[in-house]
Amino acid sequence: QKEVEQNSGPLSVPEGAIASLNCTYSDRVSQSFFWYRQYSGKSPELIMSIYSNGDKEDGRFTAQLNKASQYVSLLIRDSQPSDSATYLCAVKSTGGFKTIFGAGTRLFVKA
Amino acid sequence: DGGITQSPKYLFRKEGQNVTLSCEQNLNHDAMYWYRQDPGQGLRLIYYSQIVNDFQKGDIAEGYSVSREKKESFPLTVTSAQKNPTAFYLCASSIGVAGAADTQYFGPGTRLTVL
Repeated sequence: QKEVEQNSGPLSVPEGAIASLNCTYSDRVSQSFFWYRQYSGKSPELIMSIYSNGDKEDGRFTAQLNKASQYVSLLIRDSQPSDSATYLCAVKSTGGFKTIFGAGTRLFVKA
Repeated sequence: DGGITQSPKYLFRKEGQNVTLSCEQNLNHDAMYWYRQDPGQGLRLIYYSQIVNDFQKGDIAEGYSVSREKKESFPLTVTSAQKNPTAFYLCASSIGVAGAADTQYFGPGTRLTVL
């Protein structure tokens, strides 16, 4: 069974700090990696996708991928209370249509 | 505006009833998906469709049925055989390319409650 594991949290950080969200996956042939943000009672919205080892930056968000360690992370710089949400890690394997989602990490940014 | 719409937003079902959740997209995406989300759990795949008139079971298809008669529409029926249907149901779509770079985008969801 292919799995995506995330710490459920909650992860609590003060406003302005860096929030670090982590995700591990079991399928070595995974090729595409996604981070979604989900506010309470709402649907997931895509924040970032990453396909190659290394870092990918978009505004205050940085995704980091290490395929050898089967590890993907999301850093949120200058965290704001509006970043308080559940962050879902999602992984897609080569040649397939199915995307496997982690259970999500709840982030709470304290004002 | 391009996007994915789901209706209704809230749905209440009595025991023994079948109910149908609507999902429509105008993104010209080939692939569409239905997920179920329970509190504290990740998204679980119910059914997916890669192309019109074709669909496959996901991980938890029992008690559900779908159809894909039009590219834009992928309705989900929750049958009376689904014993614990209370959940948040999410429809998603993607371009439909096998492999990398096929990002899924989600509709606003339907919250189903069994009375």
